Amino acid sequence: DQQVKQNSPSLSVQEGRISILNCDYTNSMFDYFLWYKKYPAEGPTFLISISSIKDKNEDGRFTVFLNKSAKHLSLHIVPSQPGDSAVYFCAASAHSGYALNFGKGTSLLVTP
Amino acid sequence: NAGVTQTPKFRILKIGQSMTLQCAQDMNHNYMYWYRQDPGMGLKLIYYSVGAGITDKGEVPNGYNVSRSTTEDFPLRLELAAPSQTSVYFCASSFDRSYNEQFFGPGTRLTVL
Repeated sequence: DQQVKQNSPSLSVQEGRISILNCDYTNSMFDYFLWYKKYPAEGPTFLISISSIKDKNEDGRFTVFLNKSAKHLSLHIVPSQPGDSAVYFCAASAHSGYALNFGKGTSLLVTP
Repeated sequence: NAGVTQTPKFRILKIGQSMTLQCAQDMNHNYMYWYRQDPGMGLKLIYYSVGAGITDKGEVPNGYNVSRSTTEDFPLRLELAAPSQTSVYFCASSFDRSYNEQFFGPGTRLTVL
């Protein structure tokens, strides 16, 4: 039962353009959302997060948007750089829980 | 700060063998977690701990055991390895509960043949 879904396994974007990674969730108890970035043979590293009381959070080139009514969030990377090529995981948690619920990930390739 | 460290990086086990995956963190985090990632899938929680001496099951605990005798260490034990346990195992820690970001180790790639 996948409660966090990333329906695009891969995405290819040209350097300098915007990358948009999408994530949907089904559990209405989720109230905190995170994006992790993962390079091959490394552990996931935290990128950006958003609380359910906000609809946008920005950190440099990275912005996360949350649409609670649609149970949808997205990560925007502007401008995209070749070093952004990695697998991006969306994760969600409920204040009452301990676990992060992960999506399957989207592999982003930024081409020069 | 080394962050979260895991050993070994790789291991091949035969069916029925046992092993312990080591995890340590030097950030004085109370919360520690073990996840597994199967190919093409997201990470799934195996066990977690909220402090020394306190552990609890996650989503996929069968076939594993954990202990937490110190704040720093959180080993994961596989008693009778099965091919279904072939996966990449990640240990993570956080200062507080879910609202805090979890810091991950580099992972242990385990193959059971």
